[in-house]
Amino acid sequence: DVKVTQSSRYLVKRTGEKVFLECVQDMDHENMFWYRQDPGLGLRLIYFSYDVKMKEKGDIPEGYSVSREKKERFSLILESASTNQTSMYLCASTKTASAYGYTFGSGTRLTVV
Amino acid sequence: GNSVTQMEGPVTLSEEAFLTINCTYTATGYPSLFWYVQYPGEGLQLLLKATKADDKGSNKGFEATYRKETTSFHLEKGSVQVSDSAVYFCALKRLTGRRALTFGSGTRLQVQP
Repeated sequence: DVKVTQSSRYLVKRTGEKVFLECVQDMDHENMFWYRQDPGLGLRLIYFSYDVKMKEKGDIPEGYSVSREKKERFSLILESASTNQTSMYLCASTKTASAYGYTFGSGTRLTVV
Repeated sequence: GNSVTQMEGPVTLSEEAFLTINCTYTATGYPSLFWYVQYPGEGLQLLLKATKADDKGSNKGFEATYRKETTSFHLEKGSVQVSDSAVYFCALKRLTGRRALTFGSGTRLQVQP
């Protein structure tokens, strides 16, 4: 069964810590995405990547960075975690053609204390 | 820019009632349109999609028709079940330019027995 796997389901981190969220897909998809989901705001795009070592900013990239060293893995990095980054983080991947929807991971609920 | 507007929830229905969740969009060109569903504690799953005007997407008794003239993609189901209780997201994906999905804010559906 093809899937997107996020390494942690729940995380609790302290303010100022560097946090890594990992995402792996086994579908040979070119494109990978990181969203955060907050009540009343829906899903907001943080960063995305069309290919290995390529990355582009989404709508809310401030305070985040990403890494894509291999096609199957896309990491989200919180350089110095803050309480306003407490959220549900969702990773997704897709083929390039527009007719394809995303396959999502189950999400990582991050709490910054 | 691109945007998706959904009706606010929660929508509360009795079992076997008719469901409509409204979705309208703003986009350049003719995007692909999607409905995603998120069950409690899970990531998003693709429910249905349509890639051109007048296409009807359908799955699990849900339907939505791509209406270019009204820029709408309303989700309907003739008879809802308790198991349909979830959050539903409308989304669009452009054919050119940034290929990331743009999501609506989500509509929570609660079906009561």
